[in-house]
Amino acid sequence: DSGVTQTPKHLITATGQRVTLRCSPRSGDLSVYWYQQSLDQGLQFLIQYYNGEERAKGNILERFSAQQFPDLHSELNLSSLELGDSALYFCASSGRQEYGYTFGSGTRLTVV
Amino acid sequence: AQKITQTQPGMFVQEKEAVTLDCTYDTSDQSYGLFWYKQPSSGEMIFLIYQGSYDEQNATEGRYSLNFQKARKSANLVISASQLGDSAMYFCAMREGLRGTGANNLFFGTGTRLTVIP
Repeated sequence: DSGVTQTPKHLITATGQRVTLRCSPRSGDLSVYWYQQSLDQGLQFLIQYYNGEERAKGNILERFSAQQFPDLHSELNLSSLELGDSALYFCASSGRQEYGYTFGSGTRLTVV
Repeated sequence: AQKITQTQPGMFVQEKEAVTLDCTYDTSDQSYGLFWYKQPSSGEMIFLIYQGSYDEQNATEGRYSLNFQKARKSANLVISASQLGDSAMYFCAMREGLRGTGANNLFFGTGTRLTVIP
């Protein structure tokens, strides 16, 4: 157990639907990062939150949004899902150290 | 331009031999960090080793060492005495200079699939 908890582990949904992925960071970590790993795109950074505030944005589609709550857990919302959104979605957390990015086990999303 | 380049899509190594996985990076920052992660077939991302840009010594963690050549902007991973369990995808990643409070995101390479042959 890495200390970063992601739920659910697997998700199958239909095109056009909306899903929410959840992440609880490692205890004490203030930063949460979301990554998308697909076969043809590799690991793509989506968005970072630090202590409840958006800190950095990567290749995140407008159909996707995220937030970090006061208890520091984060949710990634994916809407109007397309077949191409099928991927492994990782959450990672980090503290104040320069290193120490810890990844969750990921949510495998399949859009059918 | 790609920030992290891994030019070896796949590598094979004999069990008990050493193998080097290549990684080059591109940044104009003076302060940055380099990481290697292992992703087995089960999918999780396992942190292996870290090298800071100001670290004078190459990082080592057990059978893993990082061959850091700053002038060449390379950060190759060396795995000694390969084991069957080392078969996995390996990703090189970089964090650029700290901007503001908190750590910044990692940029990943496309990965190298290592297969250890018995």
